[in-house]
Amino acid sequence: GQQVMQIPQYQHVQEGEDFTTYCNSSTTLSNIQWYKQRPGGHPVFLIQLVKSGEVKKQKRLTFQFGEAKKNSSLHITATQTTDVGTYFCAGQGKTDSWGKLQFGAGTQVVVTP
Amino acid sequence: EAGVAQSPRYKIIEKRQSVAFWCNPISGHATLYWYQQILGQGPKLLIQFQNNGVVDDSQLPKDRFSAERLKGVDSTLKIQPAKLEDSAVYLCASSLRKLADTQYFGPGTRLTVL
Repeated sequence: GQQVMQIPQYQHVQEGEDFTTYCNSSTTLSNIQWYKQRPGGHPVFLIQLVKSGEVKKQKRLTFQFGEAKKNSSLHITATQTTDVGTYFCAGQGKTDSWGKLQFGAGTQVVVTP
Repeated sequence: EAGVAQSPRYKIIEKRQSVAFWCNPISGHATLYWYQQILGQGPKLLIQFQNNGVVDDSQLPKDRFSAERLKGVDSTLKIQPAKLEDSAVYLCASSLRKLADTQYFGPGTRLTVL
């Protein structure tokens, strides 16, 4: 079945630095979504990518969907302490007609001031 | 707009006991999901309802887990009997439709099985 993998599992970042987290699917996706989960909280939707090669920006966050629609990345510039949390990508398979999302294991981000 | 409501927030039980979780989705959302999130992992879909019908329960351990959404609104997830490995956060989410829709998560129920 479809599998979604994220790397790295952990990301320690100095405040002000940039970093990128990557998401790879074993199958071609219909769309991919990104969620953020703060410590002790629940996942909160960030963005959805649908088109091949799509790039979307939200302030300091840049999301990209690969040309083959099998991978995605999240790049954060000038990291702040508010960026702490776990970032999950979740992919919907092309053959799934009910919108089922397969979540990756997440990248846990720790920011040192 | 009220978010997804879940109760209880925390539950501690002993193995072999039963437990039930309740979820009330955002008003008007046709699709409801139950996820299991084990510490350090991503949410794993247990069951998905479209209105009051089940559309995916392929990862639900049916020998001990059951769920219902009788009137197409709120839902209950039950575990009977619980095992140690069921310790996790159980998240309920809802979306307006099904395909390519944003999922809105509730605060979750943290279950500890001793």
